[in-house]
Amino acid sequence: AQKVTQAQTEISVVEKEDVTLDCVYETRDTTYYLFWYKQPPSGELVFLIRRNSFDEQNEISGRYSWNFQKSTSSFNFTITASQVVDSAVYFCALSDDRNSGNTPLVFGKGTRLSVIA
Amino acid sequence: DTEVTQTPKHLVMGMTNKKSLKCEQHMGHRAMYWYKQKAKKPPELMFVYSYEKLSINESVPSRFSPECPNSSLLNLHLHALQPEDSALYLCASSQKRTGGRIEKLFFGSGTQLSVL
Repeated sequence: AQKVTQAQTEISVVEKEDVTLDCVYETRDTTYYLFWYKQPPSGELVFLIRRNSFDEQNEISGRYSWNFQKSTSSFNFTITASQVVDSAVYFCALSDDRNSGNTPLVFGKGTRLSVIA
Repeated sequence: DTEVTQTPKHLVMGMTNKKSLKCEQHMGHRAMYWYKQKAKKPPELMFVYSYEKLSINESVPSRFSPECPNSSLLNLHLHALQPEDSALYLCASSQKRTGGRIEKLFFGSGTQLSVL
C-alpha cells in the first residue's frame, strides 16, 4: 500500500534560516513518482517538483533543493535562506504506476512552515 | 493558460439546499479530479474523471454528485449535506497519458464550503 509520512507537523524558523522538510514514503511498486506541493493561505496547491523513481539526482531550483534517497525511501525538501513568503503548508505526495499512470496522488499530512521576520 | 478556475470561492448552505460547485480548465487536460480538504488535513480524493467518464469514486456519499459535461468543465452537485461536509473542495486537472508517465496535477484555489 502507498503511504507518505511527514513527521514534522509544524516548523517555525526565523527569516534567512535554512529549513528542511522531511518526507518518507512507502510503496511496493518499482516505478513511482514523488511530488512536493505548497499550499499558501490562499488555498490552492502549487506544484513544486515531480521526481520519478529512476532518477535519484538531487535537484536545486533557486532557494529550493530536494534530496531523493531510495535507500531510505526519503524525499526531503530544503529551503535555503527562508523568507516570510515561504510560510505555507507543504505536502509531499506519491503516485505509483498502477492504472497506467493515472493513479491519483496520495498526500502526506503536510508540514506547516512559519517563517518569522 | 495554466489555471484551474473554481467558483464560487466561498459557499454557505443549509442542509436542505441544493448547490453546485464549478471547475473549469482550458489546458486540454483530459483527467479532472475532486478533492476534499478538512482544516489542517491533507486533500482526500473524491472523484476522478477521465475523458469525461467517471473512473474513480472513492466511496463518496450520494449527496455528492459529480458531473463532467465536457472536457473543460467539472461540476460537483451538492444536496442534503451535513455540517461535517464543511471543508475546502479542490478541483484539479492533469494530462492523461498511458505508459506509466504520471503528470503533475494543477489545482484550483478551491471552494470553501460551510454547511449550517
